[in-house]
Amino acid sequence: SYDLTQPSSVSVSPGQTARITCSGDLLSSKYVRWFQQKPGQSPTLILYNDNERPSWIPERFSGSSSGTTVTLTISGAQVEDEADYYCYSAADNTLGIFGGGTKLTVL
Amino acid sequence: QVQVVESGGGVVQPGGSLTLSCEVSGYIFSDHGMHWVRQAPGKGLQWVAFIHRDGTTSNYADSVRGRFFISRDNSKNKLFLQLNSLRLDDTAVYYCVPNMDNWGQGALVTVFS
Repeated sequence: SYDLTQPSSVSVSPGQTARITCSGDLLSSKYVRWFQQKPGQSPTLILYNDNERPSWIPERFSGSSSGTTVTLTISGAQVEDEADYYCYSAADNTLGIFGGGTKLTVL
Repeated sequence: QVQVVESGGGVVQPGGSLTLSCEVSGYIFSDHGMHWVRQAPGKGLQWVAFIHRDGTTSNYADSVRGRFFISRDNSKNKLFLQLNSLRLDDTAVYYCVPNMDNWGQGALVTVFS
């Protein structure tokens, strides 16, 4: 079975750059999606295909990929970005897997 | 605007069954694969099942394979998840996620003895 590994927590001050990694062998050949989940809310898609951003997502959210690691970068993190972040990928496009999630603290 | 509405959640005893439904609007339902994802209280997201846009192919997480069954009715823009032989650790909010894009509010399933 495949695994995606994320740090359990990341902490930055407002205005700093936050980086959240997602690692797994699957990622050498499959794209990643990133989801943001704020307390009490459903997840929302913030990036797809490693680094593409839906039009309504702020430009400070970006993604990059290198080998078996994909990175979500939040440039100039804001207090409102405080949330849980999950990476997702799919083997054979039918077998999905989520990373364990990263709690981002901005304070 | 895409709207996703899950229904059918509830309280069930271990070993029991339940069927969740999901209605999608503002979307060409038959053009997209559909997923179910769950989240146990205080835990992370867990992918549960996928069904191809035409219903011919599906796949399941190991933890639910053989107990859960995903299906769809493209004529009604509806997705279903039949949950059988429920266990305490199946307690979670279940989300229907078209194309792994848009999320509804979820349906809470509580397995309680």
